[in-house]
Amino acid sequence: EAGVAQSPRYKIIEKRQSVAFWCNPISGHATLYWYQQILGQGPKLLIQFQNNGVVDDSQLPKDRFSAERLKGVDSTLKIQPAKLEDSAVYLCASSLSRTSGPRRNYKNIQYFGAGTRLSVL
Amino acid sequence: DQQVKQNSPSLSVQEGRISILNCDYTNSMFDYFLWYKKYPAEGPTFLISISSIKDKNEDGRFTVFLNKSAKHLSLHIVPSQPGDSAVYFCAASRPIFNSMNNNAGNMLTFGGGTRLMVKP
Repeated sequence: EAGVAQSPRYKIIEKRQSVAFWCNPISGHATLYWYQQILGQGPKLLIQFQNNGVVDDSQLPKDRFSAERLKGVDSTLKIQPAKLEDSAVYLCASSLSRTSGPRRNYKNIQYFGAGTRLSVL
Repeated sequence: DQQVKQNSPSLSVQEGRISILNCDYTNSMFDYFLWYKKYPAEGPTFLISISSIKDKNEDGRFTVFLNKSAKHLSLHIVPSQPGDSAVYFCAASRPIFNSMNNNAGNMLTFGGGTRLMVKP
């Protein structure tokens, strides 16, 4: 079974430029997550999709970050314009668990891609 | 506000001995806890988990203990092997609710990680 695919693996840009990351989750996984991991810290959730709808984006800096999952499969995360503090690894994850409704499966095991390392100069 | 904390940034253990990684949390809404392992240049991989209704879960060399009253969990690795050298993240899951107070999914909150080094 193929894992979560992310591209590119590395990206270097200058501040105020734009950048986009792509994620293809594990086939059949309805829930997709984008995380930001700053060096020396744990992953921080930016946005969570259930199929093509947003479940939570409370920690997404919406003035510069946007994400979409138009067909409920792959997803893109965009930063426009980038700041120095956006330098981090951006991780995409997916899960099969049914996370809403009366039969919610709370196990929520998420499977991660290798991430995109972004350097903003 | 760090809701999940791993207070030891690093741990060094001799091969064959026990490794104990600790995690503390503050939010009583967390109802499921997970440990992830991360090698350099790879994404975190799921290792073991525990429900808040249990106090222990074991899988081979890995055991997770949960003390709800103390809001503390730990991961024990016995015996430790050099291949276990990695960064370990504790994560806590809680339900999230929409504006109509209906369950809308789960959210994971991660600790800052502990780097484990197992020396041969």
